[in-house]
Amino acid sequence: GAVVSQHPSRVICKSGTSVKIECRSLDFQATTMFWYRQFPKQSLMLMATSNEGSKATYEQGVEKDKFLINHASLTLSTLTVTSAHPEDSSFYICSARDYGSLYNEQFFGPGTRLTVL
Amino acid sequence: ARSVTQLGSHVSVSEGALVLLRCNYSSSVPPYLFWYVQYPNQGLQLLLKYTTGATLVKGINGFEAEFKKSETSFHLTKPSAHMSDAAEYFCAVIPNSGGYQKVTFGTGTKLQVIP
Repeated sequence: GAVVSQHPSRVICKSGTSVKIECRSLDFQATTMFWYRQFPKQSLMLMATSNEGSKATYEQGVEKDKFLINHASLTLSTLTVTSAHPEDSSFYICSARDYGSLYNEQFFGPGTRLTVL
Repeated sequence: ARSVTQLGSHVSVSEGALVLLRCNYSSSVPPYLFWYVQYPNQGLQLLLKYTTGATLVKGINGFEAEFKKSETSFHLTKPSAHMSDAAEYFCAVIPNSGGYQKVTFGTGTKLQVIP
């Protein structure tokens, strides 16, 4: 099956710093990638949809200047949490849509645990 | 209204017992249906999916789910629970209405397996 990787898997940073999370599709081209946030014991919340070569589409309530998304190639999307604060601590999961998929199926990365001190 | 509902945020079963996790959708056109499993601090792994064809779908790890249009349901079952099945399970839907549609996740069901 299609494989999506995320890096890093875990990051701890100080308040006020920026953190970049990478999402890569390893064996397929992903014209569209998605970024989700998951709070403890809750479901996934879609933050934004990232399309290769164009600006990301953010969901209502998600600050685009705080969560910068770049989808520079067909296999890589990055999420940068700028000026991170403790309330940004969460589990961030990306997914990638296989361009060849008939059913818009998404393949998920293993997630990144962000802890802001 | 939520387009996908999972009844029971926590389910406990004894090892070897039947596992039944419930999922109902609310759309006039049956969507594409998925079940994912998530282990602690990990991403989502696809268990199985229904898109078209046979309504009984078999997935990995001995799980299966049956699409029932009349009941707008896609319940996940496994005949005999194993300790390694303890995890969080998410039902998800993608509208079958052409073009690109977003995935909507249920609220999740945490499965506990008691030895």
